[in-house]
Amino acid sequence: ETGVTQSPTHLIKTRGQQVTLRCSSQSGHNTVSWYQQALGQGPQFIFQYYREEENGRGNFPPRFSGLQFPNYSSELNVNALELDDSALYLCASSLGVFGPYEQYFGPGTRLTVT
Amino acid sequence: TQLLEQSPQFLSIQEGENLTVYCNSSSVFSSLQWYRQEPGEGPVLLVTVVTGGEVKKLKRLTFQFGDARKDSSLHITAAQPGDTGLYLCAGAISGYNFNKFYFGSGTKLNVKP
Repeated sequence: ETGVTQSPTHLIKTRGQQVTLRCSSQSGHNTVSWYQQALGQGPQFIFQYYREEENGRGNFPPRFSGLQFPNYSSELNVNALELDDSALYLCASSLGVFGPYEQYFGPGTRLTVT
Repeated sequence: TQLLEQSPQFLSIQEGENLTVYCNSSSVFSSLQWYRQEPGEGPVLLVTVVTGGEVKKLKRLTFQFGDARKDSSLHITAAQPGDTGLYLCAGAISGYNFNKFYFGSGTKLNVKP
C-alpha cells in the first residue's frame, strides 16, 4: 500500500506567476483535501475533492483552484502568485467524506514566492 | 482568530517529565484528531476521538475529548527525546456531504535528554 505522495518537493516562483502542485492519494482513497501551512502555523483548509468534484472550500480566493482525476490523484493550481502564498502545501487523502474518517498527509510541497 | 486554540505554544522539558497540551474551542466538533509533525514533513495522525468524554491511550500518550466535544487534551507520561515535534489538534465540523477540519496552531515540544 503506497502512501500519499506530492510533487515537487520544493518550488520557487516569482510574484504574478502561476503554479501547479500535484498529489497522489493513498491506494483506495477517493477523497483529497488540500491545506496551506504558513511557517509557525497550523494547516489551513483550502478545499476538498470527492470523486472528482469540489465539495468543500475554505476561505481562499478563486485564484486557488483544483482538479481531481479518475484515479483520485489531484492538482492544486494557484494563479497570480502573491508573496503571502509562500507556504508548505499539504494534501491529505481519505476514504469517503463522512466522518470520522482519517486523513493521511503527504510530505508537502514547499512553495517560495519572491 | 483560530477556531481551535492550542496551549502552550512552546514546551521545553527534560526527559522523564510529564506534560499536557490543551486544545480549546467554543465550537462543537463531530470528531477531533491529534497529529505530530516533524520539520519538513506532513502531519502524522496519532488518534481520532469521536464521543464526548472519550479517553484513548497510545502507549505513554493519553488523549481525552471533552464531554461537550469542544475541547481536548493530550497528556504524555515520562516524555522521551523521540517525542520531540509539533503537536497539532484538528476538529472536524460536518457540512453537507463533507467534513471540514480546523487545525490549531500547534504546540512545539522539545524533550531534552
